[in-house]
Amino acid sequence: ELKVEQNPLFLSMQEGKNYTIYCNYSTTSDRLYWYRQDPGKSLESLFVLLSNGAVKQEGRLMASLDTKARLSTLHITAAVHDLSATYFCAVVSNSGGSNYKLTFGKGTLLTVNP
Amino acid sequence: GAGVSQSPSNKVTEKGKDVELRCDPISGHTALYWYRQSLGQGLEFLIYFQGNSAPDKSGLPSDRFSAERTGGSVSTLTIQRTQQEDSAVYLCASSLRFQGPLADTQYFGPGTRLTVL
Repeated sequence: ELKVEQNPLFLSMQEGKNYTIYCNYSTTSDRLYWYRQDPGKSLESLFVLLSNGAVKQEGRLMASLDTKARLSTLHITAAVHDLSATYFCAVVSNSGGSNYKLTFGKGTLLTVNP
Repeated sequence: GAGVSQSPSNKVTEKGKDVELRCDPISGHTALYWYRQSLGQGLEFLIYFQGNSAPDKSGLPSDRFSAERTGGSVSTLTIQRTQQEDSAVYLCASSLRFQGPLADTQYFGPGTRLTVL
């Protein structure tokens, strides 16, 4: 059974600082998602990482994937208050088959303080 | 254009009753996904549809749960004989296709909050 672990689960940081959220998973996968969720809101897709070494950037967020290490990172650069949200990673198993399944991490609650 | 819509936004029901949750995906999106989010279980993937077919139903929590999609568009998630542990926010998402790079961005609806008393 695929297990997905995120850390940290809670992250409080100051504006302007950098930090990284980690997502480890237990079995082989070729597709990983990062999502953002604001309080009381639905999910927003941030990134999809499809191959080993994939790196994607959007604004102050950069995501990378190392399939050999079964690790993805979400790096935050020069944080701003608007980035405060919960961030989830999710890993696909059997992406090309009929038994597609998506397993989520528990989420990282990010609070960016002035 | 219009995003993914879900109805109702809130549903309160009594234990043992059946409920139907509806999802209207973005027009032209062939892939549709159901998830639920609860305090106890976090985010869980339930089922996906490619067109009208759902290749794998093993993610559904129990046989009280069923889902269908008609005409390649609207989907309905039905929970029979609801239990208190079914209380959660049920999220629907759609994407243009299931496979391939264009498939991968999922657009989420606002969710249906289900409370089983």
